[in-house]
Amino acid sequence: DTGVSQNPRHKITKRGQNVTFRCDPISEHNRLYWYRQTLGQGPEFLTYFQNEAQLEKSRLLSDRFSAERPKGSFSTLEIQRTEQGDSAMYLCASSRRGLAGGTSTDTQYFGPGTRLTVL
Amino acid sequence: QQQVKQSPQSLIVQKGGISIINCAYENTAFDYFPWYQQFPGKGPALLIAIRPDVSEKKEGRFTISFNKSAKQFSLHIMDSQPGDSATYFCAGGRAVELTFGKGTKLSVIP
Repeated sequence: DTGVSQNPRHKITKRGQNVTFRCDPISEHNRLYWYRQTLGQGPEFLTYFQNEAQLEKSRLLSDRFSAERPKGSFSTLEIQRTEQGDSAMYLCASSRRGLAGGTSTDTQYFGPGTRLTVL
Repeated sequence: QQQVKQSPQSLIVQKGGISIINCAYENTAFDYFPWYQQFPGKGPALLIAIRPDVSEKKEGRFTISFNKSAKQFSLHIMDSQPGDSATYFCAGGRAVELTFGKGTKLSVIP
């Protein structure tokens, strides 16, 4: 059982450039989440997918942020026109929602993150 | 609005001692309370979690104590080891979203 993987692990970019990060969840996990973690803080929820559907995106930080999960497997997070304030660790997590459904919170497993530095 | 308050911010414990980290939450809709351990440059790793229908859960050296009426929960690490030195985050879960505390940096000294 491989864990959540994220690529690249580190990204350095210049202000104004676009960046894209990839997340591969644990196989058979149908839910995928993106969080942002800044220095000295806990992760902050951004968005999540159930299969290929993005069911919550109101917490994305601005319209420069977008995420996709086109085939319900891997996901990408894109930041357009990066700003220095976007420098952070971007974390992906996944979970498996069973057929029984329900409303209780799933156990989320995090990847190693992508460290973004905007110069 | 900080929905999960975590204390202390940092903690130094001698090897073999007990490490205690406390969290308080505001959102009574939370139905899941995990603790994550994070090493520098790594993603958070799930350590132990509890649901509000129980008051205590123990896994090895790690115990969560949960007080629903006080809206507080804590992590106890027994027989703390230098390898436990990391940052620990508590969180409250509601539906799909986890709300994290700001973290506690634990240092276990030999």
